[in-house]
Amino acid sequence: EVQLVESGGGLVQPGGSLRLSCAASGFTFSSYAMSWVRQAPGKGLEWVSAVAGSDGSTYYADSVKGRFTISRDNSKNTLYLQMNSLRAEDTAIYYCANARAINTKCLGNWGQGTLVTVSS
Amino acid sequence: DIQMTQSPSSLSASVGDRVTITCRASQGISNYLAWFQQKPGKAPKSLIYAASSLQSGVPSKFSGSGSGTDFTLTISSLEPEDIATYYCQQYNSYPLTFGPGTKVDIK
Repeated sequence: EVQLVESGGGLVQPGGSLRLSCAASGFTFSSYAMSWVRQAPGKGLEWVSAVAGSDGSTYYADSVKGRFTISRDNSKNTLYLQMNSLRAEDTAIYYCANARAINTKCLGNWGQGTLVTVSS
Repeated sequence: DIQMTQSPSSLSASVGDRVTITCRASQGISNYLAWFQQKPGKAPKSLIYAASSLQSGVPSKFSGSGSGTDFTLTISSLEPEDIATYYCQQYNSYPLTFGPGTKVDIK
């Protein structure tokens, strides 16, 4: 059974930093693209970033480019999102999701999410 | 970037009704289209991929169709457990983009 468990969320002041983690199990983590998707309170889903499984290429939404960094540690089956220069509009539940198959961008399984609140 | 739109933004239907949600992409995406269901307070769940392929374990009352720019999600007979917001998403290219969602409830 695929499991994705996010952690690292919390309250942070504007301009601060936070690192999210997503522990994965139940599939061959290193072979699958992984994404972060966020949802601001009462709003829709917004894709944030992805890292490929094959070559580790990274991709970002314009709204986070230059501030967020996605990475993966295949030896620990863990996905990360380093978030710097946080803004109030980054407040959201952050979900990690895997690709539904190797060599596809299509999202499959999702974690339960971790809440990030940016406020003074 | 590819923009996704959905209609309606919300709908109210009776138990047993056939429900159809439409999704449109701002440019052709072949069949690289997925549908997700999100129940209140829960993480999204994959329903359909490749526009019309049912994710394993998803009831057959859900179906998808379309190609290019126009897509539909159909619930053949609405049940109370289908109360949720439904999102389409293109995965033709990065950045991945979602539609704004369609909130479905019971009349």
